[in-house]
Amino acid sequence: DTGVSQDPRHKITKRGQNVTFRCDPISEHNRLYWYRQTLGQGPEFLTYFQNEAQLEKSRLLSDRFSAERPKGSFSTLEIQRTEQGDSAMYLCASSLVRGESGYTFGSGTRLTVV
Amino acid sequence: DQQVKQNSPSLSVQEGRISILNCDYTNSMFDYFLWYKKYPAEGPTFLISISSIKDKNEDGRFTVFLNKSAKHLSLHIVPSQPGDSAVYFCVGNAGNMLTFGGGTRLMVKP
Repeated sequence: DTGVSQDPRHKITKRGQNVTFRCDPISEHNRLYWYRQTLGQGPEFLTYFQNEAQLEKSRLLSDRFSAERPKGSFSTLEIQRTEQGDSAMYLCASSLVRGESGYTFGSGTRLTVV
Repeated sequence: DQQVKQNSPSLSVQEGRISILNCDYTNSMFDYFLWYKKYPAEGPTFLISISSIKDKNEDGRFTVFLNKSAKHLSLHIVPSQPGDSAVYFCVGNAGNMLTFGGGTRLMVKP
């Protein structure tokens, strides 16, 4: 069990460019989540997958954001036409069940839009 | 609307003493509460959780207390160790969403 892996760890992009992040969850976890953390704040929910189905999306996930989990394993988060306000840490988490057993987070991808 | 509030942005404690981190919430739909610890450049690490039907859960040096009537919970760490120095997040779980507080930075001095 290698935990939740995220790639890349850091990404610097120019405003207006598209970026894509990848998350590999713990293999037996069927639930996968994306969160975003800005400086000095706690992480905020973006979206949730159960297997390959995207079941919940936050209103923070504007139409420039799209997430996929095509085979119910890894997931990608794409941001189109990046803006400076998209600069944040993007965290992926996975779990087998909800609730008190906790959710395992990856180390995150830090995005800087210049 | 901050559904989970951690009113102390930082806390400094001497090694060996008790650390008490506090959290208030407004959402009555939370059925689990979790505490996460975060070191710089790493993702949050799960520490301990409590169901909303319980008032206490203990795991080693960590104990979480829940007061539903006051919508308040606290995390006790005893004894505190320098390795506990990190940012601690109080988290409410409703449905498939985690709602994080703003975090409390704990510094344990040797």
